[in-house]
Amino acid sequence: EIVLTQSPGTLSLSPGERATLSCRASQSVSSSYLAWYQQKPGQAPRLLIYGASSRATGIPDRFSGSGSGTDFTLTISRLEPEDFAVYYCQQYGSSPPVYTFGQGTKLEIK
Amino acid sequence: QVQLVQSGAEVKKPGASVKVSCKASGYTFTSYYMHWVRQAPGQGLEWMGIINPSGGSTSYAQKLQGRVTMTRDTSTSTVYMELSSLRSEDTAVYYCARGVSAAVDYWGQGTLVTVSS
Repeated sequence: EIVLTQSPGTLSLSPGERATLSCRASQSVSSSYLAWYQQKPGQAPRLLIYGASSRATGIPDRFSGSGSGTDFTLTISRLEPEDFAVYYCQQYGSSPPVYTFGQGTKLEIK
Repeated sequence: QVQLVQSGAEVKKPGASVKVSCKASGYTFTSYYMHWVRQAPGQGLEWMGIINPSGGSTSYAQKLQGRVTMTRDTSTSTVYMELSSLRSEDTAVYYCARGVSAAVDYWGQGTLVTVSS
């Protein structure tokens, strides 16, 4: 089973700064099968990125995803106050179907 | 608009079972897989399994095999998740979520299941 390791565990930045979040897989993951989510306290997660780099509907273009193989990155180009939250990566593996989440990165206000 | 509405909070004793429902609306129910994901207090997201509402086929996380059952009722556009032999570690918020492109795009509001003696 593929394990996803996110780093850092906590990232402290100020509004207006650039955020770079990492997701590393224990085995190669198809880019088509890597997604990112944002979760705020008391809320369900929200899909940000699917297929490693495609933004979901309604997601601002300051959010971008990149990477391939075992290393994937979520970048927030210029942090807005509402972007401070926990971020999860997720991968899909087939035969049998299994979905795995990373442990999350907390993005907090510095 | 797509909506997933889940049943209310549950309190169960260890060893009991719980069944959570998720009613879908705003889209063709049989055209999208449905996932169940849970989140223990203060912890991350854990994928539990997936059901194809069209044919009813399922795939479960290995960790939960034998304790989890996912079913659907196409007449009411509702999926169900039943978890048996509950233990304290099963205390969590349980989410249903619609699958799309190897990801999940819409989520239910979550159902808190508390396991306590």
